[in-house]
Amino acid sequence: QQQVKQSPQSLIVQKGGISIINCAYENTAFDYFPWYQQFPGKGPALLIAIRPDVSEKKEGRFTISFNKSAKQFSLHIMDSQPGDSATYFCAATIRGSTLGRLYFGRGTQLTVWP
Amino acid sequence: DVKVTQSSRYLVKRTGEKVFLECVQDMDHENMFWYRQDPGLGLRLIYFSYDVKMKEKGDIPEGYSVSREKKERFSLILESASTNQTSMYLCASSTRRGAGEQFFGPGTRLTVL
Repeated sequence: QQQVKQSPQSLIVQKGGISIINCAYENTAFDYFPWYQQFPGKGPALLIAIRPDVSEKKEGRFTISFNKSAKQFSLHIMDSQPGDSATYFCAATIRGSTLGRLYFGRGTQLTVWP
Repeated sequence: DVKVTQSSRYLVKRTGEKVFLECVQDMDHENMFWYRQDPGLGLRLIYFSYDVKMKEKGDIPEGYSVSREKKERFSLILESASTNQTSMYLCASSTRRGAGEQFFGPGTRLTVL
């Protein structure tokens, strides 16, 4: 059973547009929600993360919105650029766990057209 | 700069061969992970380790085993490679309480013929 569900699987956005990727989870024990970005030929790398005690976190053009009651969170990329073309993974984890396991969504392949 | 290295970027093996994928991290991390990445299926956890000689099964451990004899090194073993194990394999590491940050290697693209 997939712990984190992510949509859409692929997304095409024009340069300057807003890219939105959505994720949902069931396990209420999750208390940390990172997003990873993966460029072709590279491993994923941490992009931005949020704790459930805040509803929004912004870093530059990247914003996470978090809805604790709906158990949903989303990544918004403002003013999308061709350099943002990559695969994005949402994830969830329990911060206090020594195992440090991340539960990943299936990923969204973003293409930004110039 | 943190670094996770994997022994090969590309590997081609025959069905039935024993395959070793090596991963080394230089960050003194306690936790290490092996994932496989397939289109449309995302990152699926095969095995992970939270200490030397300790291992835990992930979501898809069948057909794989692991070894962690030293803290910095985590090996994935395919005892008898099959064509359905053709995939991208990614290794990652994190501190024991890494607050969600795993550091990934560049991956090994394995093809089993």
